[in-house]
Amino acid sequence: DTGVSQDPRHKITKRGQNVTFRCDPISEHNRLYWYRQTLGQGPEFLTYFQNEAQLEKSRLLSDRFSAERPKGSFSTLEIQRTEQGDSAMYLCASSFQGNIQETQYFGPGTRLLVL
Amino acid sequence: KNQVEQSPQSLIILEGKNCTLQCNYTVSPFSNLRWYKQDTGRGPVSLTIMTFSENTKSNGRYTATLDADTKQSSLHITASQLSDSASYICVVCFSGGYNKLIFGAGTRLAVHP
Repeated sequence: DTGVSQDPRHKITKRGQNVTFRCDPISEHNRLYWYRQTLGQGPEFLTYFQNEAQLEKSRLLSDRFSAERPKGSFSTLEIQRTEQGDSAMYLCASSFQGNIQETQYFGPGTRLLVL
Repeated sequence: KNQVEQSPQSLIILEGKNCTLQCNYTVSPFSNLRWYKQDTGRGPVSLTIMTFSENTKSNGRYTATLDADTKQSSLHITASQLSDSASYICVVCFSGGYNKLIFGAGTRLAVHP
C-alpha cells in the first residue's frame, strides 16, 4: 500500500499519561502535516514539516505537544500529560511540493480517547 | 478572519436523488478551493480542486462550482448512491508560503434507500 499510514488507529489512555503517534507519509512526499479533528468539525492545522524542518506550528499546539520528523520521512506526534480535551482524531497528511494544485493525501487517522 | 462556512450542516436524501452542498469563504489571499469526502472514521479524500480561474470541475457524479467574486462554491451530487453517505468538507487553500488549508466543518450527507 503506497498511501499515508498512521499508527495506532485507536488509543485509549488515562489523563496524565503520555502518548505518541506515528505517521508514515507517501514515500516521495517532502511535506507532512498534522491536523486535529473533533466530532462534527473539520480538521484543524497543528503543524507542518518540509523534509525534516518544522516550519510552522499552530497556536493550538501547546507546550505539551511535540512533533518530529527526524529523517524527513516518518513523523511522530507526542502529547505529554494528556487531558480530556485532547480527545480527538489526529490526522496526518503528506504532499509533494509542486504546482498550485498540490494535493494533500490524508492518512486514516489516530482516534485518541483520554479518560 | 479566514473562515470557511458550509451549509446545510446535515442532509438526508433518498437514493437516486440529486443534492447540492454550499460553501462560503472569507480566506484571503486565495489560492484554490477543494472539496473532500470523509467517510466516518477515515481520513478525507480529495474530490476536486479549482483555482480562481476555474468555475466548474467534475469528477464523475460530483460537480463543483466556484464563484471567486462572491466567494461561494457548491458541490452537486447527481444520482446519489448509498456509498455517497459521508461528510463533505469544503477546503480553501491559503495562498503564500506553503499549501495551508482552511477547512469548513463539513456537511454530513446520509443517503437512504
